[in-house]
Amino acid sequence: DTAVSQTPKYLVTQMGNDKSIKCEQNLGHDTMYWYKQDSKKFLKIMFSYNNKELIINETVPNRFSPKSPDKAHLNLHINSLELGDSAVYFCASSPRTVGYGYTFGSGTRLTVV
Amino acid sequence: GENVEQHPSTLSVQEGDSAVIKCTYSDSASNYFPWYKQELGKGPQLIIDIRSNVGEKKDQRIAVTLNKTAKHFSLHITETQPEDSAVYFCAASLNRDDKIIFGKGTRLHILP
Repeated sequence: DTAVSQTPKYLVTQMGNDKSIKCEQNLGHDTMYWYKQDSKKFLKIMFSYNNKELIINETVPNRFSPKSPDKAHLNLHINSLELGDSAVYFCASSPRTVGYGYTFGSGTRLTVV
Repeated sequence: GENVEQHPSTLSVQEGDSAVIKCTYSDSASNYFPWYKQELGKGPQLIIDIRSNVGEKKDQRIAVTLNKTAKHFSLHITETQPEDSAVYFCAASLNRDDKIIFGKGTRLHILP
């Protein structure tokens, strides 16, 4: 049983399109995150939700909109995709808001052509 | 905000030897320091963590040390094995903040 699952695993799309990535965790954690990993492997936080409430919103273009229908799900919708959005997007969850390690999903590789 | 520096960016060691990865952090209020291992095509996996009230922690072949005065922490892997080959990330977080800031990663190669 996968703890943090993301779909799809791969996503290839054209510039200008709108796409969504879904994430679900079955660990009972209260906090979920989206991280972006660029081609140099650098991991940068994008958003954090605690029990469906947005608590971190880093300097991310407003084309990116997270949505948390319940505390087990955190989806990421991206409008008007650009070439620079190509990256691997990781969802993660944590039992508490601070001071605890994350459990990551296996990532979604987004390629914008 | 917090900044985490990690060195080296690439490390090659002979199988059976030890590997050491070093990190520094900028915010003295940081109090939680996890280490993650990322294998090819997978998400980062937590392998060990240490809190600021502890100077050293060990789990089988992996150990982490923390020097709060110098704002340094290190990962030590002994008796390296081929399956240790991966990218390793150090990270730090503050008690008042809800995010983990990652270093830029170290690609570890274990040579046969």
